Amino acid sequence: GAGVSQSPRYKVAKRGQDVALRCDPISGHVSLFWYQQALGQGPEFLTYFQNEAQLDKSGLPSDRFFAERPEGSVSTLKIQRTQQEDSAVYLCASSLGVAGELFFGEGSRLTVL
Amino acid sequence: GDSVTQMEGPVTLSEEAFLTINCTYTATGYPSLFWYVQYPGEGLQLLLKATKADDKGSNKGFEATYRKETTSFHLEKGSVQVSDSAVYFCALSVDTGGFKTIFGAGTRLFVKA
Repeated sequence: GAGVSQSPRYKVAKRGQDVALRCDPISGHVSLFWYQQALGQGPEFLTYFQNEAQLDKSGLPSDRFFAERPEGSVSTLKIQRTQQEDSAVYLCASSLGVAGELFFGEGSRLTVL
Repeated sequence: GDSVTQMEGPVTLSEEAFLTINCTYTATGYPSLFWYVQYPGEGLQLLLKATKADDKGSNKGFEATYRKETTSFHLEKGSVQVSDSAVYFCALSVDTGGFKTIFGAGTRLFVKA
């Protein structure tokens, strides 16, 4: 597609449920990033892929968070046993690589009850 | 660690007023610097960037100059419009074995007619 596509746009989960958030980057973009944005805050880095390789996962807040990009295109961010503090907007961005412009999706807003 | 600090908002201005949003950074390497903007109901998008000291990024009447000696990248516009109302994020990108972009907390700008 023309831009970065994320789904679902909105997700409500009960505490303890597992969720999966999908990101479809711009075709040909080598790099893919996941960020977490709490209300009124800037995006916080979670993890980064170059093609299918996860080069940096230092921002994942706990082992309940897991991301994959098996074929170097679509990526999934999975959160197991969701907690209320996981409520946030999860942003996906892609880029051609190196220190270039990030192209963001509109985000997936997760609310954990 | 690497970080970005920007002035707290909200900033409220009248149309045609001069805008400055301060941004300073801390980085172990030699970062590229960015301003991203998020208009109401839209995703983040790049506003301007600078990749080396003394470079000036500019777009849509906005400017920012990469000042290595003061580790700053302040955003300016000579005459704001109502349509500039948005949240502005200062960011840096550093090579950590891959490129990671780190964002400030954001500054909300309201422009009154």
